[in-house]
Amino acid sequence: DVKVTQSSRYLVKRTGEKVFLECVQDMDHENMFWYRQDPGLGLRLIYFSYDVKMKEKGDIPEGYSVSREKKERFSLILESASTNQTSMYLCASSLRGWGTGELFFGEGSRLTVL
Amino acid sequence: KNEVEQSPQNLTAQEGEFITINCSYSVGISALHWLQQHPGGGIVSLFMLSSGKKKHGRLIATINIQEKHSSLHITASHPRDSAVYICAVSGNQFYFGTGTSLTVIP
Repeated sequence: DVKVTQSSRYLVKRTGEKVFLECVQDMDHENMFWYRQDPGLGLRLIYFSYDVKMKEKGDIPEGYSVSREKKERFSLILESASTNQTSMYLCASSLRGWGTGELFFGEGSRLTVL
Repeated sequence: KNEVEQSPQNLTAQEGEFITINCSYSVGISALHWLQQHPGGGIVSLFMLSSGKKKHGRLIATINIQEKHSSLHITASHPRDSAVYICAVSGNQFYFGTGTSLTVIP
């Protein structure tokens, strides 16, 4: 079975802090995604990566950056956390390309910014 | 404008009831996905389908491509089915519905 592991289930940070959320998948998938999930808004795509060192902006990239130095690892970075970034963050991976194939999700990281 | 609409938003059922969750979409797709998310948990894929019908245990998913509509049915519902069910479609990218929160009461 595909396993997508997110480094932290719950984080509490202060405004202005730098935040790293890490995601690792073990099935050699090319494609990895970071989503943000908020009540009533569903999942919104922050960034997408289709290969090592390759990234594409999603619908809400502002305030976020990503890093993909190795195929299995995709990191989401909040350079200076703000309260409006309090949310559930979900990492996902898929074998096929953008918008195709089955998505495999991690357990989620619930971030609270005070 | 939401590319994927689900109904109902919230659903409460008695244990044993037959449950239907509906999904309509407005974009061209290669597949439709039904996802399940338990409280505080990650999301798991229940079905990926591009035509017809799929069944897994007590869960059945159907899709009508012409009408751009899908349904997820749960037969003999159980309290452990309580979760948020999310419809998603994949085409040139993934689009997600906002989810249906299901509570099954013993």
